[in-house]
Amino acid sequence: NAGVTQTPKFQVLKTGQSMTLQCAQDMNHEYMSWYRQDPGMGLRLIHYSVGAGITDQGEVPNGYNVSRSTTEDFPLRLLSAAPSQTSVYFCASSSSWANSPTDTQYFGPGTRLTVL
Amino acid sequence: KQEVTQIPAALSVPEGENLVLNCSFTDSAIYNLQWFRQDPGKGLTSLLLIQSSQREQTSGRLNASLDKSSGRSTLYIAASQPGDSATYLCAVRPSSSGSARQLTFGSGTQLTVLP
Repeated sequence: NAGVTQTPKFQVLKTGQSMTLQCAQDMNHEYMSWYRQDPGMGLRLIHYSVGAGITDQGEVPNGYNVSRSTTEDFPLRLLSAAPSQTSVYFCASSSSWANSPTDTQYFGPGTRLTVL
Repeated sequence: KQEVTQIPAALSVPEGENLVLNCSFTDSAIYNLQWFRQDPGKGLTSLLLIQSSQREQTSGRLNASLDKSSGRSTLYIAASQPGDSATYLCAVRPSSSGSARQLTFGSGTQLTVLP
């Protein structure tokens, strides 16, 4: 199993450009999520999905869109990039979320995004 | 709103020392608490998960404890090695039901073990 994969690893955008960060998992996990990590602030949840066709907002959703058409894929879209979106983005998945206190999340390697 | 704090932000120790990393949280109504390791430029790897009904969990040289009433968790690393150098993050899940069980992360402690 490849686990959780993310592409690209690095990306530089200009203000106002759009792009999609890709995330895929091959573990048949129901739950997937996107976090951003900024210096000194830990990870903050952007959006999450509890299954195909179901998404919801996390703590910092503004400026980002998501969709979940398949169990495997959970892309994150930046519609009009801003310098404040410069960050490292992590995708994560787990087999289920609400039912078991032992479920842990598996993280991808991250995408480092710079918006000029 | 749950807040998770990790102090110190950075720690440097000589190889072989036993050490303790601290994590505190403001809301004791948690479902579980996890400790993660993050290597530079990499994702997070789960080290230990403690359910709300448990007091501690052990894996090899690692031992994590949980005291919900005081809102504290510690990660004990025995006989530290240079390979333990990484950032350690703790994260809590609230005990609210359904999809509201999202992780809240601390900002991490960057550990350096000197040879």
